[in-house]
Amino acid sequence: QVHLVESGGGLVKPGGSLRLSCAVSGFTFSDYYLNWIRQAPGKGLEWISYISSSGGTLYYADSVMGRFTISRDNAKNSLYLQMNTLRAEDTAVYYCAIEEPGEGFHYWGRGTLVTVSS
Amino acid sequence: QSALTQPASVSGSPGQSITISCTGTSSDVGGFNYVSWYQHLPGKGPKLMIYKVNNRPSGVSNRFSGSKSGNTASLTISGLQAEDEADYYCSSYTNTNAHVVFGGGTKLTVL
Repeated sequence: QVHLVESGGGLVKPGGSLRLSCAVSGFTFSDYYLNWIRQAPGKGLEWISYISSSGGTLYYADSVMGRFTISRDNAKNSLYLQMNTLRAEDTAVYYCAIEEPGEGFHYWGRGTLVTVSS
Repeated sequence: QSALTQPASVSGSPGQSITISCTGTSSDVGGFNYVSWYQHLPGKGPKLMIYKVNNRPSGVSNRFSGSKSGNTASLTISGLQAEDEADYYCSSYTNTNAHVVFGGGTKLTVL
């Protein structure tokens, strides 16, 4: 049974930083591509970042490029998202998701809420 | 504004069929057979319902089917059931800067 659990969300002031984590169990973590996807209040899903199985290839959405950094620790079966220079528009539920190449996102966590507000 | 265009809402009665459209461009939906559909219920992570345009993951009901013509993909749900009421999102790989793009989502109401 594949299980993903996000953590690290919370309330942060504009310009602040936060680090999200995603703990994964139930499959061979190091074999798979991982992504972060978010949903702002009342809005749709927005893909924001991808990391390859080895961690050698990274992609970012324009909206977070230069501010967010995705990383993974295959020894700890964990995915991370370092978020810096946070803005009000970054307020959202952040989901981690496992990608099967060419098949989209087969497994998702329940998400963690990030609120950026003064 | 989302990269892919979906209707904001659709509705149908139990037992009926509905179709949700997802319109993109030749840089995404039209250029790849990598369209996916997700069902999203409040408080849960989205669930993959269709991948590669018309493939169902194990465990997904065969009442869900997908298709594509040109730059528009479609999700059809037949034999509507109350439990199908949810938000549905399409997504596609893209050859633009983004890795994947999503539609704005469609709220399905079962009357």
